[in-house]
Amino acid sequence: EIVLTQSPGTLSLSPGERATLSCRASQSVASTNVNWYQQRPGQAPRLLIFGVSTRATGIPDRFSGSGSGTDFTLTISRLEPEDFAVYYCQLYGSSPLLTFGGGTKVEIK
Amino acid sequence: QVQLVQSGAEVKKPGASLKVSCKVTGYTLTELSVNWVRQAPGKGLEWLGGLDPELDETIYAQKFQGRVTMTEDTSIDTAYMELRSLTSEDTAVYYCATVGDTPGGSGAFDIWGQGTKVTVSS
Repeated sequence: EIVLTQSPGTLSLSPGERATLSCRASQSVASTNVNWYQQRPGQAPRLLIFGVSTRATGIPDRFSGSGSGTDFTLTISRLEPEDFAVYYCQLYGSSPLLTFGGGTKVEIK
Repeated sequence: QVQLVQSGAEVKKPGASLKVSCKVTGYTLTELSVNWVRQAPGKGLEWLGGLDPELDETIYAQKFQGRVTMTEDTSIDTAYMELRSLTSEDTAVYYCATVGDTPGGSGAFDIWGQGTKVTVSS
């Protein structure tokens, strides 16, 4: 069973800074179905990135995804005030069929 | 535009069962693969299960097998998630979610219900 570990647990940054979030799988991922979500307090998750690196509809280009094998990364090039939230990676199509990482909180420094 | 509209908040006693509904509007349920995700207070996202579009069968997370059942009433475009033998650990917001504009086999849920808050307390 594949487990996704996100790091760091909390990232303290200032607006305008670059954020780099990591998602590591416990074994190499054959599927390319690595997806990233943003969740703001009191809201449902919002899809940011699917298939490792494709931005979902309406997602600004300051969000980018990359990676392969066991290591995947979400990068926010320049943090805007609305980007301070919790981010989750997700893997689909392996065993178990779907799993989420534990999340990274991006907070204002 | 596809929307998922969930049933309202529930308070349940330990040992009881829960049934949450998720109505599809703007599309037909038969063309979607509805999944269920929950989030305990202050915790992360946890997948309960959902329809695997490639197998065309419902897959449940191992943790919930035997305690959860997901069904559909296609005549009213509504999906249901029933969870039995509730404990305080099941207190959470429950979401239905599905793939809309993203590739069918991606598991990338770009459409979410508004969430149903469930409290289990004696």
